[in-house]
Amino acid sequence: KAGVTQTPRYLIKTRGQQVTLSCSPISGHRSVSWYQQTPGQGLQFLFEYFSETQRNKGNFPGRFSGRQFSNSRSEMNVSTLELGDSALYLCASSLRPGGENIQYFGAGTRLSVL
Amino acid sequence: GENVEQHPSTLSVQEGDSAVIKCTYSDSASNYFPWYKQELGKGPQLIIDIRSNVGEKKDQRIAVTLNKTAKHFSLHITETQPEDSAVYFCAASWEDDKIIFGKGTRLHILP
Repeated sequence: KAGVTQTPRYLIKTRGQQVTLSCSPISGHRSVSWYQQTPGQGLQFLFEYFSETQRNKGNFPGRFSGRQFSNSRSEMNVSTLELGDSALYLCASSLRPGGENIQYFGAGTRLSVL
Repeated sequence: GENVEQHPSTLSVQEGDSAVIKCTYSDSASNYFPWYKQELGKGPQLIIDIRSNVGEKKDQRIAVTLNKTAKHFSLHITETQPEDSAVYFCAASWEDDKIIFGKGTRLHILP
């Protein structure tokens, strides 16, 4: 069974631009969560989607948004990029929503904002 | 808000010795505590988890203990090996709420 796939793996953008990251969950998994990983802050929860609906949201500004499609694939968008948005963005999928379910992570998209 | 504190941030252990990583959580309603291991260039992977109705769980060389009264839980790795070198994350969650991760511990196994 294929794992969680995130594309692209690496991305370089400049301040003010916007970016879209993609995540394909494990087949059969309907819940997708997004995390931002930075050296100083560890893994910070961005949002969780289930059945195309956002179930939970972390403490990030409105520049960070996401969506989920009917096939459970998810995209994350960051508008008006700032230098501080440079990070590894991880996507995780699980069979069901909620933190009690095992999360399977992709390898991440490393975003560098110049 | 909910918070998970993890210590130490870096840990160096001689190969063959034991390693212990400790976490505390703030939300007393938390009842699920997973541990994830992240190797270089990869996403985190679940290695062991424990639920609030259990005090200890063991899987070969790794074990997790939970003290609900004190709101802390620990990861124990015995007979450490080079492949144990990685970043370890603890986390806490409550039913269908979001999961909160600690900031991670970078474990170095010294030859």
